[in-house]
Amino acid sequence: AQTVTQSQPEMSVQEAETVTLSCTYDTSESDYYLFWYKQPPSRQMILVIRQEAYKQQNATENRFSVNFQKAAKSFSLKISDSQLGDAAMYFCAYRRLIAGGTSYGKLTFGQGTILTVHP
Amino acid sequence: DTEVTQTPKHLVMGMTNKKSLKCEQHMGHRAMYWYKQKAKKPPELMFVYSYEKLSINESVPSRFSPECPNSSLLNLHLHALQPEDSALYLCASSTRLGGTGELFFGEGSRLTVL
Repeated sequence: AQTVTQSQPEMSVQEAETVTLSCTYDTSESDYYLFWYKQPPSRQMILVIRQEAYKQQNATENRFSVNFQKAAKSFSLKISDSQLGDAAMYFCAYRRLIAGGTSYGKLTFGQGTILTVHP
Repeated sequence: DTEVTQTPKHLVMGMTNKKSLKCEQHMGHRAMYWYKQKAKKPPELMFVYSYEKLSINESVPSRFSPECPNSSLLNLHLHALQPEDSALYLCASSTRLGGTGELFFGEGSRLTVL
């Protein structure tokens, strides 16, 4: 079974600075997707960024970028120029690509990291 | 703007009540999901529907009964719930069960069981 671990229950950052959230995962598969979702107090889960495991290039989306280390099974999120609106709970998530088995189609979440942004 | 719509946003019910949560999407997605989320915890998968058929049931108690009447709608029928069932219930959809792409989530229904 796949597992996702976020070792930082809480993080804080000053506005305009950079912060990195950590995520590691465990899988025996070679093809999968990794995601970072953001859940603000308004509670809707919003996709921040995604990474296909077969792509070596790290995904970027404006101020958000990832450091994907497939061999190390590490998938960290870097937020540059942090803004007050970035304050939220961030979840790292894994989704297998290959059909079959009881975990097919599931999105497996880490425990989450609460990010606080100080003005 | 959310493309997955959940109603109601808030629901309070007694342990003997019967109520339903509703989820709707018009993105043409063929996989739909129910998740349960407790405060400051990750969502826990409850049910998955693929092409209107129940694909995954994560050993959820029978007091939760899912229904997928068509490709755009997903319901969760609630009966004889317990106070520990109080949580945020999230609906999500994806293009299909496997393959590429993320899950799109609704805003959730906050359920309180008295």
